[in-house]
Amino acid sequence: NAGVTQTPKFQVLKTGQSMTLQCAQDMNHNSMYWYRQDPGMGLRLIYYSASEGTTDKGEVPNGYNVSRLNKREFSLRLESAAPSQTSVYFCASSEYSSGRAGETQYFGPGTRLLVL
Amino acid sequence: SQKIEQNSEALNIQEGKTATLTCNYTNYSPAYLQWYRQDPGRGPVFLLLIRENEKEKRKERLKVTFDTTLKQSLFHITASQPADSATYLCAPPPQAAGNKLTFGGGTRVLVKP
Repeated sequence: NAGVTQTPKFQVLKTGQSMTLQCAQDMNHNSMYWYRQDPGMGLRLIYYSASEGTTDKGEVPNGYNVSRLNKREFSLRLESAAPSQTSVYFCASSEYSSGRAGETQYFGPGTRLLVL
Repeated sequence: SQKIEQNSEALNIQEGKTATLTCNYTNYSPAYLQWYRQDPGRGPVFLLLIRENEKEKRKERLKVTFDTTLKQSLFHITASQPADSATYLCAPPPQAAGNKLTFGGGTRVLVKP
């Protein structure tokens, strides 16, 4: 099992360009998440998908859109990149079934994005 | 408002000693808390989960406690080794479980030989 995979590993964009970050998991998990992490700061949740067909905003959704393409894949799109979106982006998944069951998140290796 | 907070100051510790990290939460009663380890340039990796009805959980040299009265979880690394140097994150149940909070800011641990 590959776990959670993310592409690309690294990307440089110019301000105003668009791009899509891809994430896939092979653990048959119901829930998937997108986080960003900036130097010296913790993880901040951008969007999440509790189950296939649903998506919800997290703490910092502005400037991003997401698509839960199927159970395996959850993509994050930047329509018009800004320098403030320079960050490391992590995708994660968890086997959500019940809020009290114990929801370990499995993280991908991250995508490093630089917006000039 | 609800908060989950960790000591943002790095913890420098001598090899062989015990490192103790704190996770405090406010206006919130999590059913469980999780601890993750994050190495530079990599995604967090799950270490331990402790439920509200458990006082203590252990895994090898790691120990986690959960005090619902103090609204606090402590994470201990005993007999620390330089390989334990990393950032350790405290996390409530994820938002898909109906929770509004996300990860604590993390505490960096540096174990010196």
